Amino acid sequence: KNQVEQSPQSLIILEGKNCTLQCNYTVSPFSNLRWYKQDTGRGPVSLTIMTFSENTKSNRRYTATLDADTKQSSLHITASQLSDSASYICVVSRMDSNYQLIWGAGTKLIIKP
Amino acid sequence: DTAVSQTPKYLVTQMGNDKSIKCEQNLGHDTMYWYKQDSKKFLKIMFSYNNKELIINETVPNRFSPKSPDKAHLNLHINSLELGDSAVYFCASSQGGLANHHYEQYFGPGTRLTVT
Repeated sequence: KNQVEQSPQSLIILEGKNCTLQCNYTVSPFSNLRWYKQDTGRGPVSLTIMTFSENTKSNRRYTATLDADTKQSSLHITASQLSDSASYICVVSRMDSNYQLIWGAGTKLIIKP
Repeated sequence: DTAVSQTPKYLVTQMGNDKSIKCEQNLGHDTMYWYKQDSKKFLKIMFSYNNKELIINETVPNRFSPKSPDKAHLNLHINSLELGDSAVYFCASSQGGLANHHYEQYFGPGTRLTVT
């Protein structure tokens, strides 16, 4: 069954601290993995897109890793800011005729001052 | 200068009514999508249009009908609304379809539909 599971469901950290969000997937065959940030009441915004051959990708204070062998990905946020408070969603694209996107439920991150 | 816009932002209506949600993108993208985000926050793709042709229909009830008058617009019409249709509906667009590994999807702000 093609699934994307994220952990933790929610996370509260203090401003300036680092954190790591996890994504495990069982999607096959794999095409690519994406991380989105969704602010409350807004649409998702793409952070990174990683293909099979990419292990690490950075976008400002966000660093995503991908281990295609263990089917795991992580999103590391460095020096968190209040504006990082949002849901972070992992999405895996399946290499089928429609390149189906399988969405995780997201991790709700709250940054406290 | 909004990239993907949707109207209305909020829609409250009664069961059995027919309603439409409009979506426009000014990015020059050739593919547009409709997603439904349920109360558990999962996003599920409903439709995808590439150059005004439907390329995905993820077993959505036929009460939902997408209409694309041109490649910058993809409207969603819903007939005979049901309680279970209550959700947030997102429009998105991308340059190239889902087979393009590096395409990025740009999402609209969402339309919160409440059926009473």
